Amino acid sequence: KAGVTQTPRYLIKTRGQQVTLSCSPISGHRSVSWYQQTPGQGLQFLFEYFSETQRNKGNFPGRFSGRQFSNSRSEMNVSTLELGDSALYLCASSLGLGSDGYTFGSGTRLTVV
Amino acid sequence: KQEVTQIPAALSVPEGENLVLNCSFTDSAIYNLQWFRQDPGKGLTSLLLIQSSQREQTSGRLNASLDKSSGRSTLYIAASQPGDSATYLCADSHAGGTSYGKLTFGQGTILTVHP
Repeated sequence: KAGVTQTPRYLIKTRGQQVTLSCSPISGHRSVSWYQQTPGQGLQFLFEYFSETQRNKGNFPGRFSGRQFSNSRSEMNVSTLELGDSALYLCASSLGLGSDGYTFGSGTRLTVV
Repeated sequence: KQEVTQIPAALSVPEGENLVLNCSFTDSAIYNLQWFRQDPGKGLTSLLLIQSSQREQTSGRLNASLDKSSGRSTLYIAASQPGDSATYLCADSHAGGTSYGKLTFGQGTILTVHP
């Protein structure tokens, strides 16, 4: 079966711009979680969506937002980009039951210049 | 606050050695614990998932154990190979509320297996 697909793989943006990242979960999975990975902070939880509803949110500023569509695909948006937003953004897909584990995509590498 | 700690931070071994990676977590009320592998610049590959009711899981040369009472999990890699070189991450999850969809990760163990 197809895995978790993240697009694009790489992005270069300028400070102040905004960016949208996409994640398509495994077919049948209704939960999508987003993470930011940086060398200094490791993997940090951004938010989770289940059946188009945000169920959980991490400690990130309001510039970070997301949404989920009826087909479970999710998008993450970062507005007013800062240099510190440069990171690998990963999404994870699951059934949303909590007991089934998570499958991650290959990530989107965002560089802010 | 839930915290996950991994020891050691880095490990370099010759090919063929058996090795153990350690993971400790502060909140023993976990739902499950998952071990991942990450190659440089890539996403996470799930290795093993241990439910809170289980004591261990095995997949090929990998064996992971879970001891909730002591807040520890170990990943055992038998007969290591250069292809095992990667960063290994453990992460725990908890039930409901502010834990929906959230994994708490350790900082990882960077493993290098040299020929």
